Amino acid sequence: AQSVTQLDSQVPVFEEAPVELRCNYSSSVSVYLFWYVQYPNQGLQLLLKYLSGSTLVKGINGFEAEFNKSQTSFHLRKPSVHISDTAEYFCAVSAASGTYKYIFGTGTRLKVLA
Amino acid sequence: GAGVSQSPRYKVAKRGQDVALRCDPISGHVSLFWYQQALGQGPEFLTYFQNEAQLDKSGLPSDRFFAERPEGSVSTLKIQRTQQEDSAVYLCASSWQGSNQPQHFGDGTRLSIL
Repeated sequence: AQSVTQLDSQVPVFEEAPVELRCNYSSSVSVYLFWYVQYPNQGLQLLLKYLSGSTLVKGINGFEAEFNKSQTSFHLRKPSVHISDTAEYFCAVSAASGTYKYIFGTGTRLKVLA
Repeated sequence: GAGVSQSPRYKVAKRGQDVALRCDPISGHVSLFWYQQALGQGPEFLTYFQNEAQLDKSGLPSDRFFAERPEGSVSTLKIQRTQQEDSAVYLCASSWQGSNQPQHFGDGTRLSIL
């Protein structure tokens, strides 16, 4: 079975500052990793995914994440945030084979301050 | 093209009533998932379809929950004899076949049980 831990429930950051949202996972099998963003009263939008290959993954809206197998982490970063990045961010893991369901973390609320 | 469409967006029901939630996946997507998102939490897996076959229903919380996808396209999640703890946002997602295919989410149905 897989599990995901997002240690920070809320992250306040000033506009144009860098941000890192942390995600750690646990799994006994190979996994795929995803970051999604959720704006109020909306569904989840895919930011980026790690399937294999390069451990640095670039996504939409200037976000990137780095897969670290030894630390079982997949932290999300952005060098300069905007007010519009204020949202809930979810890390998710799925087994590379077998059932395709996602296991989500509890989310991190990013609040960008002017 | 059109994304995943869910209806209704909001549903209010009295405890004990039956409800039906509809999901129209992206055309051609073989895989369809239902998730339940409680307030302030990450989505939790309910069930998974590949075409019309329900391959995994391990996340359904009780036998009051039932899902179907009879023609391999539109899916319905039915909850019988609703209870207050069923109040949540129900998210539907679809994807191409394969565990490396990202899931595309609808905006969800917010269910409130009075």
